[in-house]
Amino acid sequence: EIVMTQSPATLSVSPGERATLSCRASQSVSSNLAWYQQKPGQAPRLLIYGASTRATGIPARFSGSGSGTEFTLTISSLQSEDFAVYYCQQYNNWPTFGQGTKVEIK
Amino acid sequence: QVQLVQSGAEVKKPGSSVKVSCKASGGTFSSYAISWVRQAPGQGLEWMGGIIPIFGTANYAQKFQGRVTITADESTSTAYMELSSLRSEDTAVYYCARGRVGATMKHAFDIWGQGTMVTVSS
Repeated sequence: EIVMTQSPATLSVSPGERATLSCRASQSVSSNLAWYQQKPGQAPRLLIYGASTRATGIPARFSGSGSGTEFTLTISSLQSEDFAVYYCQQYNNWPTFGQGTKVEIK
Repeated sequence: QVQLVQSGAEVKKPGSSVKVSCKASGGTFSSYAISWVRQAPGQGLEWMGGIIPIFGTANYAQKFQGRVTITADESTSTAYMELSSLRSEDTAVYYCARGRVGATMKHAFDIWGQGTMVTVSS
């Protein structure tokens, strides 16, 4: 099983600031990586797939980068609706998720 | 636009089984993988397994092998997840999710059901 490790567990950011979230895979997953946003009481929403391709309807302030074992999700200027938990997921093999990063208001 | 609608909340006794349904509407069902992902209270996401309805064969995460059965009914565009030998640790929200690309479970999930809360308690 490929283990996904996200850091930090919690990120405190002020509205309008940039947020950088990290995800590391225990072995190479090529570019087979997705990012999700989840708000309380809601299902996850796909943000990024293929490590860097935004899903339909996702604002341009969300961007993904990386390949192999190191990945980054960047939110360029945090809006109030962006405070949530973010998960990475690899699908190079049977899917596995990271434990999540909570982005909270500073 | 495809939507996935899941069955309602369940309360089960330890040792029993639960079967959750996931009905697709508004688009193609058979050629896209449907996976099941669970989330225990306050915890992260965990892939349990999935099925590609047109092939009919399910694949399961090793952790759930022998305890979970995933099926699909093409005639009603509905997928099912049955979990047996329930224990308190199975208390979670169970989601169905569709793979973004057809005919593979190894992809991102672009459409999710609303989730079904399963509570296991004596």
